[in-house]
Amino acid sequence: AQSVTQLGSHVSVSEGALVLLRCNYSSSVPPYLFWYVQYPNQGLQLLLKYTTGATLVKGINGFEAEFKKSETSFHLTKPSAHMSDAAEYFCAVRGPNFGNEKLTFGTGTRLTIIP
Amino acid sequence: KAGVTQTPRYLIKTRGQQVTLSCSPISGHRSVSWYQQTPGQGLQFLFEYFSETQRNKGNFPGRFSGRQFSNSRSEMNVSTLELGDSALYLCASSLVPGGLTNEKLFFGSGTQLSVL
Repeated sequence: AQSVTQLGSHVSVSEGALVLLRCNYSSSVPPYLFWYVQYPNQGLQLLLKYTTGATLVKGINGFEAEFKKSETSFHLTKPSAHMSDAAEYFCAVRGPNFGNEKLTFGTGTRLTIIP
Repeated sequence: KAGVTQTPRYLIKTRGQQVTLSCSPISGHRSVSWYQQTPGQGLQFLFEYFSETQRNKGNFPGRFSGRQFSNSRSEMNVSTLELGDSALYLCASSLVPGGLTNEKLFFGSGTQLSVL
């Protein structure tokens, strides 16, 4: 069974600084990986996903993530934080095998932007 | 196109009661998934329905059940409520089960259930 671990339940960065949210996965085979964002009082929105191909994935709002198989990681980055990035971020994994399709989410990282 | 609609937005119940939550997917979407979100636990998968059939189920007790109607609307029911059932319940929809195509899920804003 696959799982994800998000390091740091709370991360604070200054406006304009680099955002780095960490996600490590556990899977017996290369999985499909996702980052979702949840703004206050809203549901989750997909930021980006990795399925196959290029390991550096670009998403919406200037975010990107790199799949590193050797490190079993899929960290989310953004070069310059904006106040509107304040939200909770969830990393998720899905196995590649038919029938093993449910998304498994991490426990989330709350990102705070300091003016 | 309207998004995923969940009703009610807030619910307050007492222990031992039962509750029914409703989810209307995006028009044309036939797959609906349910998740329980709690602080510290993140999102836990409850179940997934497609064309009125349950395709996948998480590790929740039998007090949690669901169904899907012919118009793709879905309901989940929790019987004999416990304090630990207090959570945000999120519904997500997609055209087909996300695991088949890795298409993204569209989430509703959730129903906040408080059990007193």
